[in-house]
Amino acid sequence: NAGVMQNPRHLVRRRGQEARLRCSPMKGHSHVYWYRQLPEEGLKFMVYLQKENIIDESGMPKERFSAEFPKEGPSILRIQQVVRGDSAAYFCASSDQTATEAFFGQGTRLTVV
Amino acid sequence: ELKVEQNPLFLSMQEGKNYTIYCNYSTTSDRLYWYRQDPGKSLESLFVLLSNGAVKQEGRLMASLDTKARLSTLHITAAVHDLSATYFCAVVSNSGSARQLTFGSGTQLTVLP
Repeated sequence: NAGVMQNPRHLVRRRGQEARLRCSPMKGHSHVYWYRQLPEEGLKFMVYLQKENIIDESGMPKERFSAEFPKEGPSILRIQQVVRGDSAAYFCASSDQTATEAFFGQGTRLTVV
Repeated sequence: ELKVEQNPLFLSMQEGKNYTIYCNYSTTSDRLYWYRQDPGKSLESLFVLLSNGAVKQEGRLMASLDTKARLSTLHITAAVHDLSATYFCAVVSNSGSARQLTFGSGTQLTVLP
């Protein structure tokens, strides 16, 4: 049973480009969470999704960031017109319906140059 | 707004010594998690504490939860070098349909020979 799969593991973008981060949840999990970790800090919640629904996006920046979890395929976190301050590790976690425990992927480390 | 505070933020220990990391949170919750993170890696789940008075032990680590005091502790017994890592506690709010984790800032543990 594969765990939470994120890709790419590392992503370099120039300022102004778009970044697309993908997350495939664990088999049987229908809840996905995205977190951002700045260097030397804890993880900060961004968005919580179920299939085809955004449940809570209270942690998402108001502009340039969007997330989706389509009926088929992985969840996507999209960052448009990236800036240097977007450089961080982005972690995805998934859980089943009980949400008793969330399992984390390996993360995508985004560097904006 | 749920706030989670850990202390200490940095901890250097000699091998063989004992120490405790503290995690305080600001609103009611009955679910608390401890994670370990090695540099550049993802989060490894250590403990899930689901009720007041819960105590769990794994090897040299023991975690406890006091929901009345809104406090969890992670106790390290006879530390060894392999325990060097950053440890995070995370809490799920009881309010509404919230399922996302709110993380503490982490405790960076270094075990010295």
